[in-house]
Amino acid sequence: DAMVIQNPRYQVTQFGKPVTLSCSQTLNHNVMYWYQQKSSQAPKLLFHYYDKDFNNEADTPDNFQSRRPNTSFCFLDIRSPGLGDAAMYLCATSTRRGTANEQFFGPGTRLTVL
Amino acid sequence: GENVEQHPSTLSVQEGDSAVIKCTYSDSASNYFPWYKQELGKGPQLIIDIRSNVGEKKDQRIAVTLNKTAKHFSLHITETQPEDSAVYFCAARLTGGGNKLTFGTGTQLKVEL
Repeated sequence: DAMVIQNPRYQVTQFGKPVTLSCSQTLNHNVMYWYQQKSSQAPKLLFHYYDKDFNNEADTPDNFQSRRPNTSFCFLDIRSPGLGDAAMYLCATSTRRGTANEQFFGPGTRLTVL
Repeated sequence: GENVEQHPSTLSVQEGDSAVIKCTYSDSASNYFPWYKQELGKGPQLIIDIRSNVGEKKDQRIAVTLNKTAKHFSLHITETQPEDSAVYFCAARLTGGGNKLTFGTGTQLKVEL
């Protein structure tokens, strides 16, 4: 089945130790998104790619970076994780062709910062 | 930018009853309103959506209504079942805003036996 896959599902890192989360998709969608979701809160968009065009949200900290080497893969790099970065990180995809707007979410990676 | 408010934050109903969740949005230029269901430990899943040129949409036990004048939209779940228990998020998308969604704060729905 076409889907959005996130690895790992659970990630533990130490304060200040860089960490990379990965997302892959088999939907061949040209838009990929990274969201941060803290406990009992709504998903908050960090950035998105339209093909290779990177779009950063104004309030996304510089500590968060992203790479999209090809259509299928997208990475979230947290350069120096702080305790406040502990959250669920959700990857999503969509197509901007026509009027299709649905965003398909992966299962998320839960990040713990010790 | 767009701001979406969602109420209630928690909702408890008896199995078989109906559940209604309401959202309001601030920007009249929004044109797409999806509802997502998020089960514990999982990513959100789209359950129904509505575009601004439609006032109501129904899919089996789930329906969404949109009032553009008042800038609010609602999710209606009839004949609730225990498996409907989850967190529900509404969202809105601005015309010309790419496909960026602004989410509401979520409603924890609990369907009790």
